[in-house]
This record gives sequence, structure tokens and C-alpha cells, in this order.
Amino acid sequence: DQQVKQNSPSLSVQEGRISILNCDYTNSMFDYFLWYKKYPAEGPTFLISISSIKDKNEDGRFTVFLNKSAKHLSLHIVPSQPGDSAVYFCAASAEGAQKLVFGQGTRLTINP
Amino acid sequence: KAGVTQTPRYLIKTRGQQVTLSCSPISGHRSVSWYQQTPGQGLQFLFEYFSETQRNKGNFPGRFSGRQFSNSRSEMNVSTLELGDSALYLCASSAQGLAGINEQFFGPGTRLTVL
Repeated sequence: DQQVKQNSPSLSVQEGRISILNCDYTNSMFDYFLWYKKYPAEGPTFLISISSIKDKNEDGRFTVFLNKSAKHLSLHIVPSQPGDSAVYFCAASAEGAQKLVFGQGTRLTINP
Repeated sequence: KAGVTQTPRYLIKTRGQQVTLSCSPISGHRSVSWYQQTPGQGLQFLFEYFSETQRNKGNFPGRFSGRQFSNSRSEMNVSTLELGDSALYLCASSAQGLAGINEQFFGPGTRLTVL
């Protein structure tokens, strides 16, 4: 049972444009959501998070939007840069637990 | 501040053997979690330790175990290795224990190959 889903395995975006990565979840107990970026042969790097009491969180070029009624979150990267090319994972946790449930990841490629 | 370190980075074992992986968390972090990453299953939670106690556990067989020491360093052990245990094992630490802090910071992982 995939509780966190990233339905797009890959995404290709032109440099300078906006990248939008999507994530859906099914467990209504999830109350904290995170995005991680991963390069090959490295561990995931934390990017940005959002609590369920908010619907938007912004950090520089990265913005995460949460739509609780739709059980959907998205990560916007503006403007996209070549260094953003990586696999992006969304993750969720419930009630302060350190058990993160990850999506399958989306491979983002930024084209010059 | 140094990041999460994991040793060894690469390991090759044969079926039936056992293996121990080590993780040193970020200084001051008391929560250590372990994850398994495989191409088919993605990133899956194994267990989490906080103050030397296992606080959360994922859906893995009893062959997978762990422990945490008083300095927050953690080890995980896999006994009677199977081919399907070949994976990248990731350790993450968190300052959780203070309200509202859930961000986990990952180490580079240990790549385990079972032949």
C-alpha cells in the first residue's frame, strides 16, 4: 500500500523556468511533509518542509504547497538551475514520529 | 558541524553471513533512523532509536536489528543475509526530542551487496 505517491517518474524542464513536482498521500494522519533531493551515491539532502497547519512554505527558490483536502503537495523551484537536476523525494510523517514514509521519487532534469 | 557519517561505505557479503553497519549522527542529535533503499521498493523505514531505545519500527523481519549507544552512535545488524538484502542502507539523524523538529539529515549510506 503506497501511502505516498509521486506519479511522475521523471520531469524535464528548461533552465530558468519553473519546475513543479507533485506528490499525493492517502493517510490522513500525516501532519508533516518534507522534500528531499538526492544525487547518485549520496544520501538524500533535506530541502524544505511544511506542517499541516500551513498551506505554503517558502525558502529561497523553493516553495512547497499543501492542499489538505486533496491530500496533495507540490514543490515549486523557480528559477530552475542545472544543479537542480537530481531525484526528488517527498516524505510524510504522522504525529511527530520519526518514521518517514517516502514516495518513489521524481527524476528532475534541467536542460540548458 | 560535521554531518552524519556511515561506515563502511561499501560492503560485499555472501548469503548466510551477517553484517553490522555503523552510523554517527550529527553532534547533539539524539534520534537515529535507518532506511533501506532498493530500486524496487524505494526508501523504506527500518527503525528509529532515541536515547538508546527503539522508538519506531518498520515492517522488516527480525533478521534486521539495531542498537544505539549512550553517545547516540547507532549500529544496525542484518543476520543470515539474503540476496534481496542488497541495497543502500541510509542512516538519518534528527534533533527531534524538541517539539516540532522533524527534519532528518541523512548520511551518504552504506552500499551492501550480497552474493
